[in-house]
Amino acid sequence: QKEVEQDPGPLSVPEGAIVSLNCTYSNSAFQYFMWYRQYSRKGPELLMYTYSSGNKEDGRFTAQVDKSSKYISLFIRDSQPSDSATYLCAMSVGVQSGTASKLTFGTGTRLQVTL
Amino acid sequence: EPEVTQTPSHQVTQMGQEVILRCVPISNHLYFYWYRQILGQKVEFLVSFYNNEISEKSEIFDDQFSVERPDGSNFTLKIRSTKLEDSAMYFCASRTQYTDTQYFGPGTRLTVL
Repeated sequence: QKEVEQDPGPLSVPEGAIVSLNCTYSNSAFQYFMWYRQYSRKGPELLMYTYSSGNKEDGRFTAQVDKSSKYISLFIRDSQPSDSATYLCAMSVGVQSGTASKLTFGTGTRLQVTL
Repeated sequence: EPEVTQTPSHQVTQMGQEVILRCVPISNHLYFYWYRQILGQKVEFLVSFYNNEISEKSEIFDDQFSVERPDGSNFTLKIRSTKLEDSAMYFCASRTQYTDTQYFGPGTRLTVL
């Protein structure tokens, strides 16, 4: 079983739609969860991060974590063509563990928002 | 806003040659990382570096790889004898000691011929 699983897509939605992107994980030691956006042949750009179960909102983006189910989601409201990119989930065991806290990534979901 | 920078943006090399990829992390960050992404695949951890030594490395990071912080600002990844399968995007990332949030550079695309 892969440590982090993410549907690769592609996911195509019309402008204005609500997008739901999801990842599951198997390692219960993961405590810190991030979402990155990556445009083609560019570096990952941090969108959101959270430690705790529950929801965290930032503008049109909401990150949701359910540690009991080992499931995280990113919701994008009022999607725009400029949101077209690959969305990567990433997670780590956290700096409190005393480790280097490397990130483990999902494969990324390619999102296309059409006019 | 401070950002991680990487040079060169694209490096083409012949198999067996040595390459050095350069990164300038965000200035107040203390933890540094290299990741790679083979085309169409996920981002994979290579190595982490703190207090002038490697703190963790993956199975990918074998004896052909090394990292160095030659001065107060640069962080480098050296591949001693490149192989075709080393062709990938290489990303540098950094973070402070207080948070897990890592900030990534734009990457260096390495092409081994």
